[in-house]
Amino acid sequence: SQQGEEDPQALSIQEGENATMNCSYKTSINNLQWYRQNSGRGLVHLILIRSNEREKHSGRLRVTLDTSKKSSSLLITASRAADTASYFCATDGGRANNLFFGTGTRLTVIP
Amino acid sequence: SAVISQKPSRDICQRGTSLTIQCQVDSQVTMMFWYRQQPGQSLTLIATANQGSEATYESGFVIDKFPISRPNLTFSTLTVSNMSPEDSSIYLCSVAQSPNEKLFFGSGTQLSVL
Repeated sequence: SQQGEEDPQALSIQEGENATMNCSYKTSINNLQWYRQNSGRGLVHLILIRSNEREKHSGRLRVTLDTSKKSSSLLITASRAADTASYFCATDGGRANNLFFGTGTRLTVIP
Repeated sequence: SAVISQKPSRDICQRGTSLTIQCQVDSQVTMMFWYRQQPGQSLTLIATANQGSEATYESGFVIDKFPISRPNLTFSTLTVSNMSPEDSSIYLCSVAQSPNEKLFFGSGTQLSVL
């Protein structure tokens, strides 16, 4: 399977703390993306990092990519209760027209 | 960006029946996809909906079970046929303007089969 794996499966933190989620994948990629899903609804795109990039920022989000280790991390700084959601990484596996989604990390931010 | 309207948002169906899910986009999009998310699981791509031709199905998914239509660049339907309890999932429509670029998702259809 080309599906990525995320670690941890679940994470619970206090509001204001930072949250770090990791994603490992198996094949070469063109890019890696992170998505958020609230309560089993549609996913929202957060950030895309290309295979030739090592780090990317967007607001309170910081994503890193290590293609030699086939891994990525998503850091959410100064977390808020509204950040409570499931977070998924997705990779293209070097193929067009298909994204393989990771297993997801369920983040709970306690007010 | 694209705004996607997906309906129904949820349904409870009897075994052996079929359900058609609609996906309407507010602008023309190049690529439309249908995903399934089984309870507590990640997303799996069912098929790519091709405008004016047959959909491209991923391994493990067949047209007889999941017929898909895409009559134009803003609309697609997915039918879940001859349903069984194993089909209970969230079904998600998504769109993209370019291959492997970011996806925009509909709000999903939560299907329960009794």
